[in-house]
Amino acid sequence: DGGITQSPKYLFRKEGQNVTLSCEQNLNHDAMYWYRQDPGQGLRLIYYSQIVNDFQKGDIAEGYSVSREKKESFPLTVTSAQKNPTAFYLCASSILGLSMNTEAFFGQGTRLTVV
Amino acid sequence: AQSVTQLDSHVSVSEGTPVLLRCNYSSSYSPSLFWYVQHPNKGLQLLLKYTSAATLVKGINGFEAEFKKSETSFHLTKPSAHMSDAAEYFCVVSSPLSGGYNKLIFGAGTRLAVHP
Repeated sequence: DGGITQSPKYLFRKEGQNVTLSCEQNLNHDAMYWYRQDPGQGLRLIYYSQIVNDFQKGDIAEGYSVSREKKESFPLTVTSAQKNPTAFYLCASSILGLSMNTEAFFGQGTRLTVV
Repeated sequence: AQSVTQLDSHVSVSEGTPVLLRCNYSSSYSPSLFWYVQHPNKGLQLLLKYTSAATLVKGINGFEAEFKKSETSFHLTKPSAHMSDAAEYFCVVSSPLSGGYNKLIFGAGTRLAVHP
């Protein structure tokens, strides 16, 4: 089945550690996105990539890093510089960059907890 | 700047009664608007989208939304709630990014509870 796969579903991180969240899509989409979800705040854009080997900061990029070496993959690293990383992280993709008539498809999310 | 405001953080209805989830938007041009649904610990699923065609948009699972430019609203409705409709709903507007593409701006969400 075509779709977006995020792994792991649950992730626990110790203070000061970097962790990497995986996002893979087999939809042949050019654009991919990472969002962070906190209770009562909707989703906020962390990073996005419209093409391989290129990515841009979103609204809350501090403390995060990404790479886009393959069209199918857009991993997110939560670094120790992210002061409050506990959240639900959602990866999304779209055919091209979003325009008037395109929509984003979402993965099932990764819940990251700092212990 | 584009933004959305979901007017209710929680809505509770009885099974079989109508659902109304309210959304107002702010946009400097003709917007693209979406409603997404999220079940607990799951990703988001598109319910419907408005892209300047018909102002009454029909979506999946019996949901529909009406774009009202004069009121800057895009409320989501369903004639008869089902227990499986219990979830969180997000109103979303599309906003320009560099390179001619857009990003999605999410409202804070409305949690819908459906009681027997």
